[in-house]
Amino acid sequence: EAGVVQSPRYKIIEKKQPVAFWCNPISGHNTLYWYRQNLGQGPELLIRYENEEAVDDSQLPKDRFSAERLKGVDSTLKIQPAELGDSAVYLCASSLSGLMNTEAFFGQGTRLTVV
Amino acid sequence: QKEVEQNSGPLSVPEGAIASLNCTYSDRGSQSFFWYRQYSGKSPELIMSIYSNGDKEDGRFTAQLNKASQYVSLLIRDSQPSDSATYLCAVNMDSNYQLIWGAGTKLIIKP
Repeated sequence: EAGVVQSPRYKIIEKKQPVAFWCNPISGHNTLYWYRQNLGQGPELLIRYENEEAVDDSQLPKDRFSAERLKGVDSTLKIQPAELGDSAVYLCASSLSGLMNTEAFFGQGTRLTVV
Repeated sequence: QKEVEQNSGPLSVPEGAIASLNCTYSDRGSQSFFWYRQYSGKSPELIMSIYSNGDKEDGRFTAQLNKASQYVSLLIRDSQPSDSATYLCAVNMDSNYQLIWGAGTKLIIKP
């Protein structure tokens, strides 16, 4: 069974440019998470979807970040415009559901460098 | 403020010894607890989950949960150099099923 697939793996952009990340969760997983991870820190939740509904986006910087999960499967995360401080690894994870006892599985991540 | 605390390390353990990693959490109502391993430059990988008080064993790994004291630990027996990684503790808190992450403990197994 395929795991969580993310693309691209690496992205280097100049500040003020837009960037988009794509995630395909494990088949049958209703819950999808986007995390940001900086070096030496744990993952920071940006947004959580239950099917196509964003149920937790309280940590998403909405002035420049947007996300969508059309049809409740694939998801994209966009940053426009990017800032130097956005350099980080962006991780997508999925789980069967968002209930308490469900384990989340991660994709390989996208390493973003803003110069 | 809901928090998960871990000692950042590094924790250095000789090969073959037991590595003990600890995690404390602030929300007494937490129900689900997870340990992830993250190698440098890689994404987190789930290694253990625990939901009730006591011990849960899986091969060389044992997770221990004490809800009264609000801590969860991970023991790695017969530590191998390949166990060298950062270990992240994650706790599922409250009715919103919010998953809170610790910053991780860096473990170094010395041959």
